[in-house]
Amino acid sequence: QQQVKQSPQSLIVQKGGISIINCAYENTAFDYFPWYQQFPGKGPALLIAIRPDVSEKKEGRFTISFNKSAKQFSLHIMDSQPGDSATYFCAASIKGTYKYIFGTGTRLKVLA
Amino acid sequence: SAVISQKPSRDICQRGTSLTIQCQVDSQVTMMFWYRQQPGQSLTLIATANQGSEATYESGFVIDKFPISRPNLTFSTLTVSNMSPEDSSIYLCSAIRTGGSNYGYTFGSGTRLTVV
Repeated sequence: QQQVKQSPQSLIVQKGGISIINCAYENTAFDYFPWYQQFPGKGPALLIAIRPDVSEKKEGRFTISFNKSAKQFSLHIMDSQPGDSATYFCAASIKGTYKYIFGTGTRLKVLA
Repeated sequence: SAVISQKPSRDICQRGTSLTIQCQVDSQVTMMFWYRQQPGQSLTLIATANQGSEATYESGFVIDKFPISRPNLTFSTLTVSNMSPEDSSIYLCSAIRTGGSNYGYTFGSGTRLTVV
């Protein structure tokens, strides 16, 4: 029940296309859902985050869609660029603890 | 957001020895955490570093193996004790300031540990 399931494991997208990464959870105590981007040899960096009282949040080319009833959330990267090639992790925070449960990661490659 | 410096960035150690990893944050933060990431894998929380008191460990991690200190609001150390090849991993320090509506972590660049 503490897991966050992430798919796909890897993704190849053409430059200018839309990258979509999905996550699902079971624990209704989760109250904060961030996405992290990680480049090789670097620590993860916060990309965008959402709370369950909001169905969508957009920051530049990055959008989180959140479906509370289905316990699913997704990251959409519009106009994907080769510089977006990285590993993306979704996560969920347990209410009141600030501890994160991370998904298994999606390795994105954007072809030039 | 806070900037985290982590040292060393990588090390190769002999089995049976110990390594201490340092994490320095450029400003006071509320909470600090230590994560482990196997190469190409996800992140697993080891423990919450509590200022001035014993760390809080997650299931599967114990203080004797991973002693943690946090003497003040900007510094923490993680020691990997009596290392074995199974401890080869990337160890990441993270920190947050609580109180706002957005409490995303900041991560250090990690320490890549290889045990031979």
